[in-house]
Amino acid sequence: AQTVTQSQPEMSVQEAETVTLSCTYDTSENNYYLFWYKQPPSRQMILVIRQEAYKQQNATENRFSVNFQKAAKSFSLKISDSQLGDTAMYFCAITSYNAGNMLTFGGGTRLMVKP
Amino acid sequence: DTGVSQDPRHKITKRGQNVTFRCDPISEHNRLYWYRQTLGQGPEFLTYFQNEAQLEKSRLLSDRFSAERPKGSFSTLEIQRTEQGDSAMYLCASSLPSGEETQYFGPGTRLLVL
Repeated sequence: AQTVTQSQPEMSVQEAETVTLSCTYDTSENNYYLFWYKQPPSRQMILVIRQEAYKQQNATENRFSVNFQKAAKSFSLKISDSQLGDTAMYFCAITSYNAGNMLTFGGGTRLMVKP
Repeated sequence: DTGVSQDPRHKITKRGQNVTFRCDPISEHNRLYWYRQTLGQGPEFLTYFQNEAQLEKSRLLSDRFSAERPKGSFSTLEIQRTEQGDSAMYLCASSLPSGEETQYFGPGTRLLVL
């Protein structure tokens, strides 16, 4: 079984500042994939960033980067230069081939970017 | 690429009625997933298809729920004898075969059972 825990139900950040969202997970698989998805209010879920567990290098996508600590089973998301459009629910998720490729999500972190 | 589409976007029904939702995946994606999301929570897996074969079903998927993907393209999710506890957002996602694990989500169908 796979589990994902997001310990921060809500966070806020000032526009243009940096914020880090936490995620820890548990899995018995060696090959798995980690994701951060963003769900703006009343809008659909979109992929922010993904990380393959076999890659040591942390993934980056423009202002978004991750800190992947495999031994600690930690996968945090850093958002730099926060923008008002970053206001959303952020979900951390894990999947693996042996888990049927189904995504297991955390409970989410509600991020508010303040002007 | 038009993305994953779902229909209807909203559904209000009375307890005991049957409802059916449709999902059209991204055209080249042969995997299709259904999830349920209640307010303020992360999505929970319900079932998934590879082409027309239903390969996995969650324990959340009671006997009142049935999903089909008859031609390996669009999928339908039917809930029979709806209950108030079925009120949720039903999300569909699709992906390429194994090796490209990213799932792309549709806008969801929000169901309210009165």
